[in-house]
Amino acid sequence: KAGVTQTPRYLIKTRGQQVTLSCSPISGHRSVSWYQQTPGQGLQFLFEYFSETQRNKGNFPGRFSGRQFSNSRSEMNVSTLELGDSALYLCASSLGDQRTDTQYFGPGTRLTVL
Amino acid sequence: KNEVEQSPQNLTAQEGEFITINCSYSVGISALHWLQQHPGGGIVSLFMLSSGKKKHGRLIATINIQEKHSSLHITASHPRDSAVYICAVRRDSNYQLIWGAGTKLIIKP
Repeated sequence: KAGVTQTPRYLIKTRGQQVTLSCSPISGHRSVSWYQQTPGQGLQFLFEYFSETQRNKGNFPGRFSGRQFSNSRSEMNVSTLELGDSALYLCASSLGDQRTDTQYFGPGTRLTVL
Repeated sequence: KNEVEQSPQNLTAQEGEFITINCSYSVGISALHWLQQHPGGGIVSLFMLSSGKKKHGRLIATINIQEKHSSLHITASHPRDSAVYICAVRRDSNYQLIWGAGTKLIIKP
């Protein structure tokens, strides 16, 4: 089975621009979660999608949004980029059982905002 | 106070030593996860626990639900074990995963 894939792997943008990141989950997985990781902050939960619906949301501003398609692929969008948005963005997929799921992580997209 | 606390933050040890990383949490949980992140970013799930103890190779994870505490042990540590080890708990009220800050482990040959 192919693992979780994320595209692009690296991205450089300037302040004020917007960016879209993509995540393809493991085949059969219906849940996709997104995380932001910055040095010293650890993993910060952005949101989780399950069956095309946002099921959980972290404490991020509305500039961060996402969606999930019928094939479970997910996209994350950040509008009006700020320098502080520079981070590693990770997505993780799972079957969808919230109680006991194990998450499988993609390699991440490293976003640099100049 | 963070809902998930890991200790120590950093740990440096010699090859062969027995390693213990601790995780304490303050919320009701349905499960606790231990994950490993190598330099470069890749994160791998090591264990999911809801009670007792699990073992995989040289790795052992235990959880005490009453004390809200879990430990990850590495026996006969090796330089390839050098990584960040992260504890995460799934809150039983809304099933959201809450992440610890991670423990950076360096094993010297």
